[in-house]
Amino acid sequence: EAGVAQSPRYKIIEKRQSVAFWCNPISGHATLYWYQQILGQGPKLLIQFQNNGVVDDSQLPKDRFSAERLKGVDSTLKIQPAKLEDSAVYLCASSLEAGGNEKLFFGSGTQLSVL
Amino acid sequence: AQSVSQHNHHVILSEAASLELGCNYSYGGTVNLFWYVQYPGQHLQLLLKYFSGDPLVKGIKGFEAEFIKSKFSFNLRKPSVQWSDTAEYFCAVNGGYQKVTFGIGTKLQVIP
Repeated sequence: EAGVAQSPRYKIIEKRQSVAFWCNPISGHATLYWYQQILGQGPKLLIQFQNNGVVDDSQLPKDRFSAERLKGVDSTLKIQPAKLEDSAVYLCASSLEAGGNEKLFFGSGTQLSVL
Repeated sequence: AQSVSQHNHHVILSEAASLELGCNYSYGGTVNLFWYVQYPGQHLQLLLKYFSGDPLVKGIKGFEAEFIKSKFSFNLRKPSVQWSDTAEYFCAVNGGYQKVTFGIGTKLQVIP
């Protein structure tokens, strides 16, 4: 079974620049998540999609972050403009459904450094 | 709002020592509880989960965790650790909001 694919693996940008991350979930997984993991902290949910609809984006800084999941399959997360505090690993995860006991499958993440 | 506390941020053990990592959560209703593990250079993966039934759950690689509702705890245990258990361990909770909240993580270092 192919896992969750993410790209790029690493990204270095200067503050105020824009950046985009891409995620392709496991085939057939209806639910897709974007997490932000700052060094020394646990993953924090930014946005959760069920198919192509947003279930939860309460912790997404909407003034600079945006995400979409067209056709309910792959997804992109964008930051524009980036700030120093956005330096983190951005994790994409997927699950079959959105039920509370669903197992999350994670990708390898994109490590973003904002200089 | 739900939250998770992991008390041990960095644990160092010798091989064959016993392991217990603490996890407490706050949520008043029915919860689903998870332990995820991230081995060096690998992605996060599920170690074990609890959602109902026997409060003692067993996961991969000899790990187990016990859900104690009265203490709001879900501690992870292993009777004898190996060098290959060196990893970062995350406790997580889902209190029915369909959002999984993770703890800060515990880095375990096992010395051969």
